[in-house]
Amino acid sequence: AQKITQTQPGMFVQEKEAVTLDCTYDTSDPSYGLFWYKQPSSGEMIFLIYQGSYDQQNATEGRYSLNFQKARKSANLVISASQLGDSAMYFCAMREVNQAGTALIFGKGTTLSVSS
Amino acid sequence: DAGVTQSPTHLIKTRGQQVTLRCSPKSGHDTVSWYQQALGQGPQFIFQYYEEEERQRGNFPDRFSGHQFPNYSSELNVNALLLGDSALYLCASSLDYMRWEQYFGPGTRLTVT
Repeated sequence: AQKITQTQPGMFVQEKEAVTLDCTYDTSDPSYGLFWYKQPSSGEMIFLIYQGSYDQQNATEGRYSLNFQKARKSANLVISASQLGDSAMYFCAMREVNQAGTALIFGKGTTLSVSS
Repeated sequence: DAGVTQSPTHLIKTRGQQVTLRCSPKSGHDTVSWYQQALGQGPQFIFQYYEEEERQRGNFPDRFSGHQFPNYSSELNVNALLLGDSALYLCASSLDYMRWEQYFGPGTRLTVT
């Protein structure tokens, strides 16, 4: 069965510093997709970045980059130049690939706190 | 362009009661997925609707049922509520059921007392 593991319950960083949020995954499917979502206290899940299993290069979206190490089954999120508004819960997720649909499997999340 | 909307925002119900949550997908999207997020946990997939049919279902009991209407909006129904059903219920929509981009709504927070 597919599984996402986030081992850091909480991370603390100062403004303008970079931070790495860890994510490991387990799947036997050769084709899969990995996602990171941000969830502020309001509850809405905000899509940050996507990496396909066949993508040759690591995904980047502005200050977000995904450090994809396929052999190690890890997909860490790197946030550069942290801002106070980055304080939120962050979830790593994997797309379950089958003909029926596209369910997302989420990890338990990491709480990021950014201080000034 | 309106995003995914959900109603109500908050809801308090008593054990044994039934509840209906509603979701309107993003404009142009025809697929709706529902997730349950317990406090301090990641969201768990409940089911996905496309063309008014349940296409995929997660590991949830039959007390959880849904419906999709011709305008692509969707309802999540939960019967015989248990205390453990207290959670944030998230709706997500996508262009079609094979697209990976899912856009989430703000959620409905259900409290069962």
